[in-house]
Amino acid sequence: GAVVSQHPSRVICKSGTSVKIECRSLDFQATTMFWYRQFPKQSLMLMATSNEGSKATYEQGVEKDKFLINHASLTLSTLTVTSAHPEDSSFYICSALGQPLGETQYFGPGTRLLVL
Amino acid sequence: AQSVTQLGSHVSVSEGALVLLRCNYSSSVPPYLFWYVQYPNQGLQLLLKYTTGATLVKGINGFEAEFKKSETSFHLTKPSAHMSDAAEYFCAVSEPGSQGNLIFGKGTKLSVKP
Repeated sequence: GAVVSQHPSRVICKSGTSVKIECRSLDFQATTMFWYRQFPKQSLMLMATSNEGSKATYEQGVEKDKFLINHASLTLSTLTVTSAHPEDSSFYICSALGQPLGETQYFGPGTRLLVL
Repeated sequence: AQSVTQLGSHVSVSEGALVLLRCNYSSSVPPYLFWYVQYPNQGLQLLLKYTTGATLVKGINGFEAEFKKSETSFHLTKPSAHMSDAAEYFCAVSEPGSQGNLIFGKGTKLSVKP
């Protein structure tokens, strides 16, 4: 149980385009989903927290207009990187938690974004 | 504020040797404690967690960790390392009732020599 998927696993796009990343909880209802960014050889940086049906809460320094997060259902959250630039290239990881799993986050496999 | 310190960004052991990855935390209340493992280009996989109850916690792949409140530690151990254990390991804490928000350590890369 507690499987989280992400799609796509890898994406290459041109500068100025938008990219959408999906995060799904496959066998539980995710009341809360988290989006992280990870730079090479570093720990995870929390970008935002989203609760189903509510607006996401962004961490300080994360541009909400740049990184659009939607959590429209209990099994799906999306992160859209708008007008992507090369500095947005990174590894993006989502996680989810919900009942009856308690307060344990389960992570997706990550999405590698490369902006040319 | 909570914080997590992982001593040693890189640990190297021989195959069959004891694995010890250190994690210390600071928290005003007894936290929930987690160890996650990350293989290259993959997400994080939960190894084990401590919330309440027995302070020695057993996880997957033969790993275990012991919560020591007096030392504010949650070190991860495995009696005998396998080559497949080579990965990045993250210790994390959350405050009960915080909706699961995690504070991560900086990670420790484990290398296993044949």
